[in-house]
Amino acid sequence: KAGVTQTPRYLIKTRGQQVTLSCSPISGHRSVSWYQQTPGQGLQFLFEYFSETQRNKGNFPGRFSGRQFSNSRSEMNVSTLELGDSALYLCASSLGTSVQTYEQYFGPGTRLTVT
Amino acid sequence: GENVEQHPSTLSVQEGDSAVIKCTYSDSASNYFPWYKQELGKRPQLIIDIRSNVGEKKDQRIAVTLNKTAKHFSLHITETQPEDSAVYFCAATPRGANTGFQKLVFGTGTRLLVSP
Repeated sequence: KAGVTQTPRYLIKTRGQQVTLSCSPISGHRSVSWYQQTPGQGLQFLFEYFSETQRNKGNFPGRFSGRQFSNSRSEMNVSTLELGDSALYLCASSLGTSVQTYEQYFGPGTRLTVT
Repeated sequence: GENVEQHPSTLSVQEGDSAVIKCTYSDSASNYFPWYKQELGKRPQLIIDIRSNVGEKKDQRIAVTLNKTAKHFSLHITETQPEDSAVYFCAATPRGANTGFQKLVFGTGTRLLVSP
């Protein structure tokens, strides 16, 4: 079974621009979560989608948004980029239906650099 | 909200020694505790997890223990090997009203170095 994939793997953007990142979960997984990883703040939860609905949201500004499609693929968007948004953005997928299926499997991440 | 503290931040051991990493959490309703290993430039890899109804779980050289009363859980690696060198993250899933599932709150990570 193929793992979680993310595109693109690397991005360089300028302050003020917007960016869209994509995540394809493991086949059969309906939950997709997004995390931001930085050296200073570690791994921080952004949001989680299940069956096209946002179930959970972390403490990030409204510039960070996401969505999930009927095939469980998910996108996240960051508008009006700031230098501090430079990070590795990771998505994780899971079955997401009960505590017995909580295991989250991560994709390789998208390295975003804002200049 | 949930807060997870992880210690130590760095851990150096000799090959063959044991390594122990400890985490504490604040939300007594948390019910799922995974551990991830992240090698340099790679994705976090789930290595073991434990649920709140279990006190201990083992998988070959790796074990995790959970003390719900004290709200702490630990990762134990025995007979360490150089390939165990990586950053290890603990996490907890808080379970509160309207939070749903699948939110992981991570510790700050432990850099484990296993010397031959």
